[in-house]
Amino acid sequence: SQQGEEDPQALSIQEGENATMNCSYKTSINNLQWYRQNSGRGLVHLILIRSNEREKHSGRLRVTLDTSKKSSSLLITASRAADTASYFCATDDGNQFYFGTGTSLTVIP
Amino acid sequence: GAGVSQSPSNKVTEKGKDVELRCDPISGHTALYWYRQSLGQGLEFLIYFQGNSAPDKSGLPSDRFSAERTGGSVSTLTIQRTQQEDSAVYLCASSPHAGTQYFGPGTRLLVL
Repeated sequence: SQQGEEDPQALSIQEGENATMNCSYKTSINNLQWYRQNSGRGLVHLILIRSNEREKHSGRLRVTLDTSKKSSSLLITASRAADTASYFCATDDGNQFYFGTGTSLTVIP
Repeated sequence: GAGVSQSPSNKVTEKGKDVELRCDPISGHTALYWYRQSLGQGLEFLIYFQGNSAPDKSGLPSDRFSAERTGGSVSTLTIQRTQQEDSAVYLCASSPHAGTQYFGPGTRLLVL
């Protein structure tokens, strides 16, 4: 199975609410990345967090990494309808890349 | 079941040579994507095939890059006259229609 697993598989929230997605992985990593995909488009890189970092911010995005639990979370604050997309985590162990199957986020206006 | 496979897993080439990277998508997946990731960077979209439609080539960085998808299945990414800045991991993904993408393990390309 793929290395990264996102949770939940699907999430539906009202505009303005916060959205939290989680990612778990299995082995040691060099870094972990979050991507979004709008329907029918390629992946867009959102944020990269290195294995020695615990938290990172970018605009309305906040990513945490807990290497002891082999997990990461992506928080989108003050969500907008335009945030509707699938979100993927990806891990890099220095040898291969592993992508999860994604969380489908729907933000209701 | 079988996932997306890519070959070779590693490729070392000399500057100026041409390389071909292969992607075998999951059977039945109509969409196929190529990305690359340079060291320390995020994924960079290269090209997208969907069924029999004309591919979206908007991400190809130069005319040295081209890709084909034969019979709606296997895809080949060709880089002509390779340069050192082409060194990266090249990832292929496939998806049913335009849904969840399933990624291959990537090809690590090193141009000397």
